[in-house]
Amino acid sequence: DQQVKQNSPSLSVQEGRISILNCDYTNSMFDYFLWYKKYPAEGPTFLISISSIKDKNEDGRFTVFLNKSAKHLSLHIVPSQPGDSAVYFCAASYDYKLSFGAGTTVTVRA
Amino acid sequence: NAGVTQTPKFQVLKTGQSMTLQCAQDMNHNSMYWYRQDPGMGLRLIYYSASEGTTDKGEVPNGYNVSRLNKREFSLRLESAAPSQTSVYFCASSAVGTNTEAFFGQGTRLTVV
Repeated sequence: DQQVKQNSPSLSVQEGRISILNCDYTNSMFDYFLWYKKYPAEGPTFLISISSIKDKNEDGRFTVFLNKSAKHLSLHIVPSQPGDSAVYFCAASYDYKLSFGAGTTVTVRA
Repeated sequence: NAGVTQTPKFQVLKTGQSMTLQCAQDMNHNSMYWYRQDPGMGLRLIYYSASEGTTDKGEVPNGYNVSRLNKREFSLRLESAAPSQTSVYFCASSAVGTNTEAFFGQGTRLTVV
C-alpha cells in the first residue's frame, strides 16, 4: 500500500503562472519530506525539503508547505518556466527509508 | 564531478539469467540505496545500506541481493531474473540517512525476456 500519494498524474501550466503540486501521506512517523525533479533518461535530482517541525520552506521560486494535521504537503513554483517541465516526485523519510509518490508530470506551456 | 555512477545503462536478460548492477559514488557518502521505478508506481526501495558494513531490506527485496563492497560501492544482484524484474533501477547515495539530499545515478534500464 503506497504511503505517499500524488493524485494528479499531470499538470499543465502557462509560463509565468504558478504551478501547485500536491502530495498526501499516511504514515505519521515520517519526519522529513522532500521533492525531487526528474528529466527523461536521467536520475531524480533534489529540489527542496522540509522538516516535520516546520510548515513552510522557501528556496527561490520553490516553496514547500506542510500541513501535518491533514498529512498533506504541496510544492509551489512561481513563476513557472519552460525548464520546469519534468516529473516531480514527492518523498517522505523515516528511519533511513525514503518512500516516493508516483510522480506528477508538469508541462509548462509558452 | 562523477557523483553516482551506475553500470550498465541498458541490459537485456533471458529469464533465469543472473547479473550484477554496479554502483559507485565519489562523494564520501555513508548511505547508499537501490530503487526500482515502474510506471505509475514511483520509486520503490529494494535494499539500502545505512553505513559501510550494513545492509537492510527495503520495500521490495524479493529476488535481489546486495553487497556493500566498501564505502564507495554498492552492488545489486539478480540471481535468477524474472520478467517481473523488468524495470529501471536507480542507485543513490546520501551523506547520512534520508533526511539529507540523496544523489541518484542515471539509471539502468533492464529488460527480462
